[in-house]
Amino acid sequence: QKEVEQDPGPLSVPEGAIVSLNCTYSNSAFQYFMWYRQYSRKGPELLMYTYSSGNKEDGRFTAQVDKSSKYISLFIRDSQPSDSATYLCAMSAGSNSGYALNFGKGTSLLVTP
Amino acid sequence: ETGVTQTPRHLVMGMTNKKSLKCEQHLGHNAMYWYKQSAKKPLELMFVYSLEERVENNSVPSRFSPECPNSSHLFLHLHTLQPEDSALYLCASSPMTGGAPNGQPQHFGDGTRLSIL
Repeated sequence: QKEVEQDPGPLSVPEGAIVSLNCTYSNSAFQYFMWYRQYSRKGPELLMYTYSSGNKEDGRFTAQVDKSSKYISLFIRDSQPSDSATYLCAMSAGSNSGYALNFGKGTSLLVTP
Repeated sequence: ETGVTQTPRHLVMGMTNKKSLKCEQHLGHNAMYWYKQSAKKPLELMFVYSLEERVENNSVPSRFSPECPNSSHLFLHLHTLQPEDSALYLCASSPMTGGAPNGQPQHFGDGTRLSIL
């Protein structure tokens, strides 16, 4: 079983829709969770960073972590065509876990006008 | 300049060429990373430098040779590459607390798109 699973999509939604992107993981030691957005021909850009369980909101974006289910989500409200990109989840156990972040393969999102 | 800057953005080379990729970070971070990104695969960590010392080498072939002259600069020297080495090569940096990343997020450059003929 891969440590981090993420549906590659593509996911296509109309403009204004609420988007839900998800990752599951197997390592219960993970406690730091990140979402990155990667546009075509660009590097990953940090979107959200959370520690442990709970919700974090930043504008139209909400990151949700459920450690009991080993499941994280990114919600995008009022989606825009400019949100079309690949979204990568990443996670780390933190202290004494080395330097690596564990990435999902990314979900490709297309928001159509 | 801010963030993480990578040059060149695109590189085409033959299998016998020698070239270098350059990365510079302006974030004051102490850890720097090289990743390989191929289609439909998760990011693959290649090398990690912490305070200019190599701390991880994830079974990367010797045709890839990293160099970190100071905490702001990172190079990846390439020699005798294979067609399967064609990919996007990403540099990243992160802060450290207590001498380790401790879950801190990494900040990426826009990568070098490498094509091996």
